[in-house]
Amino acid sequence: QKEVEQDPGPLSVPEGAIVSLNCTYSNSAFQYFMWYRQYSRKGPELLMYTYSSGNKEDGRFTAQVDKSSKYISLFIRDSQPSDSATYLCALEQGAQKLVFGQGTRLTINP
Amino acid sequence: GAVVSQHPSWVICKSGTSVKIECRSLDFQATTMFWYRQFPKQSLMLMATSNEGSKATYEQGVEKDKFLINHASLTLSTLTVTSAHPEDSSFYICSARRGRDTEAFFGQGTRLTVV
Repeated sequence: QKEVEQDPGPLSVPEGAIVSLNCTYSNSAFQYFMWYRQYSRKGPELLMYTYSSGNKEDGRFTAQVDKSSKYISLFIRDSQPSDSATYLCALEQGAQKLVFGQGTRLTINP
Repeated sequence: GAVVSQHPSWVICKSGTSVKIECRSLDFQATTMFWYRQFPKQSLMLMATSNEGSKATYEQGVEKDKFLINHASLTLSTLTVTSAHPEDSSFYICSARRGRDTEAFFGQGTRLTVV
């Protein structure tokens, strides 16, 4: 079993839809949770960074962490074609090393 | 967010030659830098952790003599792929953090093609 599981997709939704991206993990020692967006042939760009259960909102993006279920989510409201990218969850348990999910390829159709 | 610059963004080299990739934190001092490799449609795989002034820590299965890492200052780490082979062709990405309990920021990546 992988430490972090993420559905690779691809996921295709119409513009304006709410997008839900998810990761599950098996190690309860993970303390920090991040979401990155990666465009083709580019490095990952940090979207959200959280360390506790609950919700964190930043503009159209909401990160949700449920430590009891070992489940994290990223919601994108009013999705735009420019949101089309691969979204990666990343978790850290210590020593500053990140474990990445496989990434979900998202396409927003105009 | 903080800026991490990686250079070059792409490079093509012949088999058997060495290639150096630079990673710089432009507006902060990075106590730790990380090097990742990413194959097409796959996630990032950590290769090594680089701490300023000390030897890098390599992940299992990564050849330290082939992938030389130098972290000479708090703003610069380099990855040298020695005696490159076609199977080393990949997307190499660095990241940097100010310290513990802080976000990790990534460079734009370097696409290496070995012919």
